[in-house]
Amino acid sequence: GAVVSQHPSWVICKSGTSVKIECRSLDFQATTMFWYRQFPKQSLMLMATSNEGSKATYEQGVEKDKFLINHASLTLSTLTVTSAHPEDSSFYICSAISMAAGSDTQYFGPGTRLTVL
Amino acid sequence: GNSVTQMEGPVTLSEEAFLTINCTYTATGYPSLFWYVQYPGEGLQLLLKATKADDKGSNKGFEATYRKETTSFHLEKGSVQVSDSAVYFCALTGGYQKVTFGTGTKLQVIP
Repeated sequence: GAVVSQHPSWVICKSGTSVKIECRSLDFQATTMFWYRQFPKQSLMLMATSNEGSKATYEQGVEKDKFLINHASLTLSTLTVTSAHPEDSSFYICSAISMAAGSDTQYFGPGTRLTVL
Repeated sequence: GNSVTQMEGPVTLSEEAFLTINCTYTATGYPSLFWYVQYPGEGLQLLLKATKADDKGSNKGFEATYRKETTSFHLEKGSVQVSDSAVYFCALTGGYQKVTFGTGTKLQVIP
């Protein structure tokens, strides 16, 4: 139980294009999902907190107009990287909190590797 | 604010050796503590958790005890295997359900 999927698992795009990454909780409902970014050999950096039906809360220094987050349902959140540039290349990971399992355990997706040429 | 400090790696062990990865934390209130594992090219998997002082989390032979007096949550395993090679993250959950991660410790187990 408590499986989180991400799609795509990897994507290569040209500079200036937009890329959408989906995060789904497969077997549970999640009112809250989180988006992280991980640089090589580093820890995870929280980008934003996504709540179903409301606007995402972005961490300091994260451009909300560049990283658009939509949490349209209790099982789906999307991250759109707009006008991507090579410096946006990274490993993006989402997580979700299961309502059934309590409010403090995050279950992580497998990550999406974005490469911007 | 909250913070998590864990030992720097990489840690290289021979198969069947004893593993300890140290983790200490700073937090207000009573956080829940976690160990996550990340295999190459993958996301994070929850390894174990503890929600209150003196709780012991365990899974797949790994153990960690929530020590409030020393603000620690050290990860241990009695006999590591090559398949345990991964990066291990200590973490805590404080207010607003946000997770604070340590920097990660890479473990390499050699046959």
